[in-house]
Amino acid sequence: AAGVIQSPRHLIKEKRETATLKCYPISRHDTVYWYQQGPGQDPQFLISFYEKMQSDKGSIPDRFSAQQFSDYHSELNMSSLELGDSALYFCASSSRDRGSGELFFGEGSRLTVL
Amino acid sequence: DQQVKQNSPSLSVQEGRISILNCDYTNSMFDYFLWYKKYPAEGPTFLISISSIKDKNEDGRFTVFLNKSAKHLSLHIVPSQPGDSAVYFCVRRGYGQNFVFGPGTRLSVLP
Repeated sequence: AAGVIQSPRHLIKEKRETATLKCYPISRHDTVYWYQQGPGQDPQFLISFYEKMQSDKGSIPDRFSAQQFSDYHSELNMSSLELGDSALYFCASSSRDRGSGELFFGEGSRLTVL
Repeated sequence: DQQVKQNSPSLSVQEGRISILNCDYTNSMFDYFLWYKKYPAEGPTFLISISSIKDKNEDGRFTVFLNKSAKHLSLHIVPSQPGDSAVYFCVRRGYGQNFVFGPGTRLSVLP
């Protein structure tokens, strides 16, 4: 079965530009999470969606927004990019029907802001 | 306040021996603890989980022990293999699907 798909895998932007990351969860998973992992840091939770509604919000900057669409894919929009936004962005999906509800992660999108 | 602590940033173990990765937590309101393994430039992959109502869960070479009174859990890998070399994250799943990652422990299994 296909895993969580993230695109693009690599993205290079300049300061003050805008970037959009996409995430396609595993089929029949109803929850999507976004994490940011900076160099040498543990993954930090940004935001999550359950059944297309925002379910939880973490340390997501106001410059970032996200949504989950009717086909359950999600997009993370980042505006006015700063150098500190350079990181690996992970998307994960899960199903609330599963016992431990473990997250399945995509391979990440590496954003570099110059 | 770091809710999930992994106090050893790194650990080196000889191949064939036991690897023990430790995790401490402060918030007792959780549903499950999960362990994830991460290779460089890849997404974390799920290894094993333990429910808050259990004290042990075993899956092949991986066993997780939970000591609720000490707010401590550990992941045992026996026997350790070079392919186990990765960063291991202890993750608390609170009620409502709220996941909190620990800082990770880098395991190196030496041949």
